Amino acid sequence: KAGVTQTPRYLIKTRGQQVTLSCSPISGHRSVSWYQQTPGQGLQFLFEYFSETQRNKGNFPGRFSGRQFSNSRSEMNVSTLELGDSALYLCASSPSYGTGGGETQYFGPGTRLLVL
Amino acid sequence: AQSVTQLGSHVSVSEGALVLLRCNYSSSVPPYLFWYVQYPNQGLQLLLKYTTGATLVKGINGFEAEFKKSETSFHLTKPSAHMSDAAEYFCAVTRGGSARQLTFGSGTQLTVLP
Repeated sequence: KAGVTQTPRYLIKTRGQQVTLSCSPISGHRSVSWYQQTPGQGLQFLFEYFSETQRNKGNFPGRFSGRQFSNSRSEMNVSTLELGDSALYLCASSPSYGTGGGETQYFGPGTRLLVL
Repeated sequence: AQSVTQLGSHVSVSEGALVLLRCNYSSSVPPYLFWYVQYPNQGLQLLLKYTTGATLVKGINGFEAEFKKSETSFHLTKPSAHMSDAAEYFCAVTRGGSARQLTFGSGTQLTVLP
């Protein structure tokens, strides 16, 4: 099976712009989660989607949003970019059968966003 | 709320030596615990996880971890380090039940010396 794919892999934007990142989960996986990784704050949970519904949200401002499509693919959007949004954005998928929080989440390679 | 503390942001070992990376958790409910590894410019790869059952968990690449409830610890070990083990390691926890939100520790950068 193909792994989690994320596009684009690298992105450069300027302050005030908006950006959309895409994630395709492993085939058959129904849950998609997003994480932000920065040197200062480490790995932080953004949100989780399951069956096109946001199930859980981390402590991020409303500029960060996401959605999930019927084929489980997910996008996240960041509006009005700030310098502090520069980060590696990781997407993870899981099958969503059974133990929920005990399920393995499979991570993609990430999208590295640089805001100038 | 659950949290994870990784002691030692940088650990250096000689090739062939024991690897010990420390992780302590705080959780108000029985947690699920994970160790992930991240190589440069890559995503996270699961090494092992504890959900229920046997407290000694074996993972990939010769790593193992023991869940000790009394010590609220989940330390990662490998008997003999290999140069290819050099990477950053993250301990993570979910709060149990159906919630998949991972709370990560700050990470430990492992250096393996020849």
